[in-house]
Amino acid sequence: EVQLLESGGGLVQPGGSLRLSCAVFGFPFSSYAMSWVRQAPGKGLEWVSGISGSGASTHYADSVKGRFTISRDNSKSTLYVQMNSLRDEDTAVYYCAKDRWNDPDAFDIWGQGTMVTVSA
Amino acid sequence: EIVMTQSPATLSVSPGERATLSCRASQSVGSDLAWYQQKPGQAPRLLIYAASTRATGMPTRFLASGSGTEFTLTISSLQSEDFALYYCHQYNNWPLTFGGGTKVEIK
Repeated sequence: EVQLLESGGGLVQPGGSLRLSCAVFGFPFSSYAMSWVRQAPGKGLEWVSGISGSGASTHYADSVKGRFTISRDNSKSTLYVQMNSLRDEDTAVYYCAKDRWNDPDAFDIWGQGTMVTVSA
Repeated sequence: EIVMTQSPATLSVSPGERATLSCRASQSVGSDLAWYQQKPGQAPRLLIYAASTRATGMPTRFLASGSGTEFTLTISSLQSEDFALYYCHQYNNWPLTFGGGTKVEIK
């Protein structure tokens, strides 16, 4: 079964750091680009960052550029995002999502999300 | 950045009726447009990709069209499970962007 399982969310103070993970099951991980998408409470979807299947190419939303770093370990079928200098406005559910085929593409598989709360 | 604008923000429809949702891009995205459905407490689910192609398993009552800057999602006869939030998403240019969403609610 194709599945994405996020972990690593929690409560962190402003200025702090957190690393999210997304474990992938059921498809050849290295063959597909992946992204992180977030959703603040009661708000819409915001794309955060994307990475190619090899990991050689990365992209970021302006709102997180210079603070977040996306990476992947294809040997472990796991996607990561390192989040530094966290702000109140980074509070959201963070989803990992799989590109359907191309890079970029529509997201055909989503994880269940992990909540990140930035608060003093 | 390409701005995606969805209208209306809320659509009140009776079961069995048709719902028409719109999505406009601030510049052409070709056919690199997807639609997602999201229910409370759940992750989004892919409905449509390439502007008009239904994702695997999506019912035929979901019809989508458009290209360039104007896109439409039509739900031909609303079922109870269709009352949800719908988002459009362009993947033609970085950064990828989503519309603000349309909530389809029971009238």
